[in-house]
Amino acid sequence: SQTIHQWPATLVQPVGSPLSLECTVEGTSNPNLYWYRQAAGRGLQLLFYSVGIGQISSEVPQNLSASRPQDRQFILSSKKLLLSDSGFYLCAWNTGGPGIHEQYFGPGTRLTVT
Amino acid sequence: ELKVEQNPLFLSMQEEKNYTIYCNYSTTSDRLYWYRQDPGKSLESLFVLLSNGAVKQEGRLMASLDTKARLSTLHITAAVHDLSATYFCAVDYGGSNYKLTFGKGTLLTVNP
Repeated sequence: SQTIHQWPATLVQPVGSPLSLECTVEGTSNPNLYWYRQAAGRGLQLLFYSVGIGQISSEVPQNLSASRPQDRQFILSSKKLLLSDSGFYLCAWNTGGPGIHEQYFGPGTRLTVT
Repeated sequence: ELKVEQNPLFLSMQEEKNYTIYCNYSTTSDRLYWYRQDPGKSLESLFVLLSNGAVKQEGRLMASLDTKARLSTLHITAAVHDLSATYFCAVDYGGSNYKLTFGKGTLLTVNP
C-alpha cells in the first residue's frame, strides 16, 4: 500500500532563517506531487506541483521554492523565512492518466516563524 | 476561472438534527471529492463521486453529485459530536497536471 511521509512534524524558526521540508511517498512510482499551505483557520493554498523528476510548477510567486530530486521525494525550501510563511504545510500525491485523481495527503508540517 | 464555492462556510449544528453542505463549481466536471479535516490534522478522503447522479454514503454522511447543476451536496443525518470537523470539496477539472480545485471548506460544529 502507498504511504506518504512528511518531516519534520513541527518546526519553529526565526525570521530570516532557511527552511527545508521534506515529503516522500512509498508504494507507487511516478506520482504527481503537490505542496499546499494552510494558514490558521483558512483554506488550502496550492504552492507547487510536480508531474515528474525536475519538473516544478509554481502557483503563487513568493520566497519559497520546491525541488524534486527523486521520483518520490518533494522538497520545499526557503532561503529566508518571513513571518507570513507560518502555517500548516501539506504534501499530497495522486496518479495521472485517465481515471481517478483523488489526492492523498501527508500528515503535515506545522511551521511557526518567530 | 475555475471556482469551487462551498456554503455555508460555518455551520453550528444541534445534535440529532439534519443539515446539508453545498458545493457549487464553475465549469463542467464529473469527478468530485469530499475530504474531512479534524483540528490540527491533515485531510482524509471521505467520498469519490465520478458521475452524474453518483451517491455515496458512510454512516451519517451522504454525498451526491449533479453534474448538470454543477452541484454536490454533503448531507448529515442526525448530527453527533464526532462529526465536528472542516469539510472540503474538490473538483477535478481534468487538466494535464491533475490538480484539484478545492473549496474554502465548511467548519462544522456539533453542539449538544
